[in-house]
Amino acid sequence: NAGVTQTPKFQVLKTGQSMTLQCAQDMNHEYMSWYRQDPGMGLRLIHYSVGAGITDQGEVPNGYNVSRSTTEDFPLRLLSAAPSQTSVYFCASSYSRGLGNTIYFGEGSWLTVV
Amino acid sequence: EDKVVQSPLSLVVHEGDTVTLNCSYEVTNFRSLLWYKQEKKAPTFLFMLTSSGIEKKSGRLSSILDKKELFSILNITATQTGDSAVYLCAVGSGNTGKLIFGQGTTLQVKP
Repeated sequence: NAGVTQTPKFQVLKTGQSMTLQCAQDMNHEYMSWYRQDPGMGLRLIHYSVGAGITDQGEVPNGYNVSRSTTEDFPLRLLSAAPSQTSVYFCASSYSRGLGNTIYFGEGSWLTVV
Repeated sequence: EDKVVQSPLSLVVHEGDTVTLNCSYEVTNFRSLLWYKQEKKAPTFLFMLTSSGIEKKSGRLSSILDKKELFSILNITATQTGDSAVYLCAVGSGNTGKLIFGQGTTLQVKP
């Protein structure tokens, strides 16, 4: 059981380049989300999905696109990277719609935009 | 606007001390409050709280929720250097699985 798998773990991009952060989970979770973490800011929600074919914006969606074509995968796309997108990115998934859902996190992707 | 506020933002203590970390929230459609420990990698789940006044306990860590006053505390007794980490509080909102995080409290435990 791999849990939540994120790739790549580290990436350096030049301003204006595009890339996709991959996220896959093997727990048949309905709910998946992407967060970014900056120093002193906690985790901020970028986009989330409540099931295949359904996505919605979180707190800081600008500059990022997502899609959810399958239950397992939830890629995050940076179409034109900017230095402000230098951050640590966490993908997460959860199974419960009811009270007290818990979330499983990936190991994180460290992205630097120069 | 939903928000979660943690205090203090940072804390330095010595081994053996007891610490209390605070988390207050203003979140619509409250579902649960979660505490995580983060040590330079993904957050690790500590507690999930859904009901007021019921203490959750795991070893030297304990936590309680007050849904009337909209806050939670995380207590760590007899601290050890291995407790040094960022402690994150998050509130689950609605039934979408999304969490609203606080800024985190950075705890440093000195020998």
